[in-house]
Amino acid sequence: EAQVTQNPRYLITVTGKKLTVTCSQNMNHEYMSWYRQDPGLGLRQIYYSMNVEVTDKGDVPEGYKVSRKEKRNFPLILESPSPNQTSLYFCASSLLLGDTQYFGPGTRLTVL
Amino acid sequence: KQEVTQIPAALSVPEGENLVLNCSFTDSAIYNLQWFRQDPGKGLTSLLLIQSSQREQTSGRLNASLDKSSGRSTLYIAASQPGDSATYLCAVIGANSKLTFGKGITLSVRP
Repeated sequence: EAQVTQNPRYLITVTGKKLTVTCSQNMNHEYMSWYRQDPGLGLRQIYYSMNVEVTDKGDVPEGYKVSRKEKRNFPLILESPSPNQTSLYFCASSLLLGDTQYFGPGTRLTVL
Repeated sequence: KQEVTQIPAALSVPEGENLVLNCSFTDSAIYNLQWFRQDPGKGLTSLLLIQSSQREQTSGRLNASLDKSSGRSTLYIAASQPGDSATYLCAVIGANSKLTFGKGITLSVRP
C-alpha cells in the first residue's frame, strides 16, 4: 500500500532532550516536506526537500533540523526541544514539486 | 510573503445543499493550488490539484476553479452529505517552492 508513515505517533518529552521524528514513504517520491499544525495558526511548512541531499527552509525552520540521505526517509530532528514546539507535526511527499501531496498520519508532540 | 485566506472559518448547511468554499491568496505567482480535506485527528487527504495554467478541475461531486489573476479559488461541493463534514484547506505552492496553507473552513452538513 502506498503510504507515508511517521513515528512515533505520540510523544511526550522534556525541554532540551533531543528527539527525532521519522518519516518514510514507499512511493519513490522526490519531494518531501514537514509541517506543523497549531490552533489558530494553521499548517506551516518547516523544511522541504526536492531530492536526496537537497533540503531547504520553509516558513518556520527555527529549532529544527532535517536530513535527506536516502530518497524514502526524511527525519525531523529537534536538537533541544522547547515548549513552544508542542504541536501536531505532519510529513508529506509528492512525486515532484507541484504534484499531489500525500500526508502521513501526524505526530502529536508535547514538550514539558 | 504569500498569505492564503479562507473565509468563513466555519460553515453549517443542511444536507443536499450545493455549496462553495472560497480561498484567496495575495501573490498570484503560484505554481499550483491544492484543496485538501482533514478529518478530526487525522492527516490531510488531497482532493483536487489545479496547475497554474488550468482553470478548473473536477472529481465526482467536487469542482475546483482557479483565477490566478484575481488570487482566488473556489471549491464547489454538489449535493452535500453528512459525510462531507470535515475541515477543507487550500494551499498554494509559490514561485519560491514554498507551500502556504489557509487556515481552513470547518464544514458541518446537518442530516
